[in-house]
Amino acid sequence: AQSVSQHNHHVILSEAASLELGCNYSYGGTVNLFWYVQYPGQHLQLLLKYFSGDPLVKGIKGFEAEFIKSKFSFNLRKPSVQWSDTAEYFCAARGSSNTGKLIFGQGTTLQVKP
Amino acid sequence: GAGVSQSPSNKVTEKGKDVELRCDPISGHTALYWYRQSLGQGLEFLIYFQGNSAPDKSGLPSDRFSAERTGGSVSTLTIQRTQQEDSAVYLCASSLTGTGGEQYFGPGTRLTVT
Repeated sequence: AQSVSQHNHHVILSEAASLELGCNYSYGGTVNLFWYVQYPGQHLQLLLKYFSGDPLVKGIKGFEAEFIKSKFSFNLRKPSVQWSDTAEYFCAARGSSNTGKLIFGQGTTLQVKP
Repeated sequence: GAGVSQSPSNKVTEKGKDVELRCDPISGHTALYWYRQSLGQGLEFLIYFQGNSAPDKSGLPSDRFSAERTGGSVSTLTIQRTQQEDSAVYLCASSLTGTGGEQYFGPGTRLTVT
């Protein structure tokens, strides 16, 4: 069955610390991968996406993610977090041949202490 | 430009009543998705529309759930004989195309069944 798992449910960091959130997926065939963010009281918005090509993708607000096919992983990273990065982060996957529906991980709540 | 809008933003209903949730996608977006976000279940896909047809209804949890889309635009998700386990945030997303487009999410409708 298609699935996405996020290992960290709740992460607490101090400002300027580095961030890495884990995401693993289980999918047959070609897969598109996404990271979404939900700031408190706001909509889900796209941080970055991977379809093909360079496995290191850069997104908004200094975030990046690396697609490692052999590990079925798509971890999110940021070298130095800010208090404004406090939010919930969702990894999602989509089979390239299906209807476009996204399969989401359980989400990771990031709390950045000033 | 306007994003995806949903109404109502909050809905409290008694168990056994029917509810209708509305989604207005971004103008010109042909694909429309409904998801549900609940504690313990995370973000789950419900149904996908391409134009007015729904080629993927695989996520609807029971026959109490139905959805329609008219004029290739507005969509309504109907839950009949609501149960307490239906309490969740119902999210709508739209994309320019079905399989390859970025999905833009609305603010959601928080449904509480008492």
